[in-house]
Amino acid sequence: DTAVSQTPKYLVTQMGNDKSIKCEQNLGHDTMYWYKQDSKKFLKIMFSYNNKELIINETVPNRFSPKSPDKAHLNLHINSLELGDSAVYFCASSPAPGQGDSGYTFGSGTRLTVV
Amino acid sequence: DQQVKQNSPSLSVQEGRISILNCDYTNSMFDYFLWYKKYPAEGPTFLISISSIKDKNEDGRFTVFLNKSAKHLSLHIVPSQPGDSAVYFCAASPYNTNAGKSTFGDGTTLTVKP
Repeated sequence: DTAVSQTPKYLVTQMGNDKSIKCEQNLGHDTMYWYKQDSKKFLKIMFSYNNKELIINETVPNRFSPKSPDKAHLNLHINSLELGDSAVYFCASSPAPGQGDSGYTFGSGTRLTVV
Repeated sequence: DQQVKQNSPSLSVQEGRISILNCDYTNSMFDYFLWYKKYPAEGPTFLISISSIKDKNEDGRFTVFLNKSAKHLSLHIVPSQPGDSAVYFCAASPYNTNAGKSTFGDGTTLTVKP
């Protein structure tokens, strides 16, 4: 009954590989997000989709490409992985864009390690 | 540009005492302020929020205070329990929800000792 589920939970891969992280929410929310938590622990927005439409696209390398086949799914594909991409990636959702007063619902994170 | 700062990386308190976690922000356009709690290997979970028209919001043992003139908010946990041991993130969000862009602090690790 997980509200926001992301797979895989752990991902270890070599530099130069291409990998994908999947996210699904069963809350009926319209808006989904990808956040990156780096070694300094900051949670930084990467992308946001509202009803399959891209609404936030922060300054991230274009090796990162989000895809939202429907409003319940937001996947993240990363090409040509680099060491600096190692981080924990969190998917989140909300009923509408923005946190409002009830916040986001986060997935449990995907720890990506590039070796 | 760190718009939301949590200057204390860690805090240790005794069970039953008060825990006070602090957060400062710089952007006066923020209208909602939220606290999240995060356990290891889990995602952050929403705890409590406050809008800029209020200066206090209470939910059980958790109270958030907002001082807009000082651009400062704090989370009080009374009484603290060992299960409260976690990383706490504050977040700030503009009213214009179409922007959808919230900013998070880098977290404070709270340890509540039995």
